[in-house]
Amino acid sequence: KQEVTQIPAALSVPEGENLVLNCSFTDSAIYNLQWFRQDPGKGLTSLLLIQSSQREQTSGRLNASLDKSSGRSTLYIAASQPGDSATYLCAVRPYSGAGSYQLTFGKGTKLSVIP
Amino acid sequence: ETGVTQTPRHLVMGMTNKKSLKCEQHLGHNAMYWYKQSAKKPLELMFVYNFKEQTENNSVPSRFSPECPNSSHLFLHLHTLQPEDSALYLCASSQDLPAGASITQYFGPGTRLTVL
Repeated sequence: KQEVTQIPAALSVPEGENLVLNCSFTDSAIYNLQWFRQDPGKGLTSLLLIQSSQREQTSGRLNASLDKSSGRSTLYIAASQPGDSATYLCAVRPYSGAGSYQLTFGKGTKLSVIP
Repeated sequence: ETGVTQTPRHLVMGMTNKKSLKCEQHLGHNAMYWYKQSAKKPLELMFVYNFKEQTENNSVPSRFSPECPNSSHLFLHLHTLQPEDSALYLCASSQDLPAGASITQYFGPGTRLTVL
């Protein structure tokens, strides 16, 4: 059974710092890995999606990497801002045949960026 | 109205009540999902509908009954719930794409459910 772990569970940094969030998964047979952001009382917003054949994806100040063989992904946030404060979720789509839309999520990392 | 909307945003119900959660997507997608997000647990997939047909049911108790009358609307009917069912229930939608493709799911804001 696929399990996704995110470390740390919570992180507090001063504004302007660069930071890294970690995600690990137990089964490397995945279609893709996705990073989401969740603001309090709100749904999830997709940030980056990395296909299993890719090594990284970038969007603005965000860079996500994927090392499928070791079951790890990182989300790098450059020059953090208070508006980045949110919970960041990592999810993998396991390779389980045609028609499966299953996503397995981690518990998330709660990020606080202090002005 | 754009994206994925959910109503109500907050719901408090007793264990003997019957209520329904509603989800509507305005993205032209064909697949819709219900997720449960409990405190201190990962997001859990409950049901998946593709072209109005249920394709996945992750061993969800029968006190949760989904309904998908068309590709834009999804309901979750609730009856005789337990206090441990209190959680944030999230709806999502996505395009129907072949297996292996990049499917991005778009999420609604969720319904915060409290069962007394």
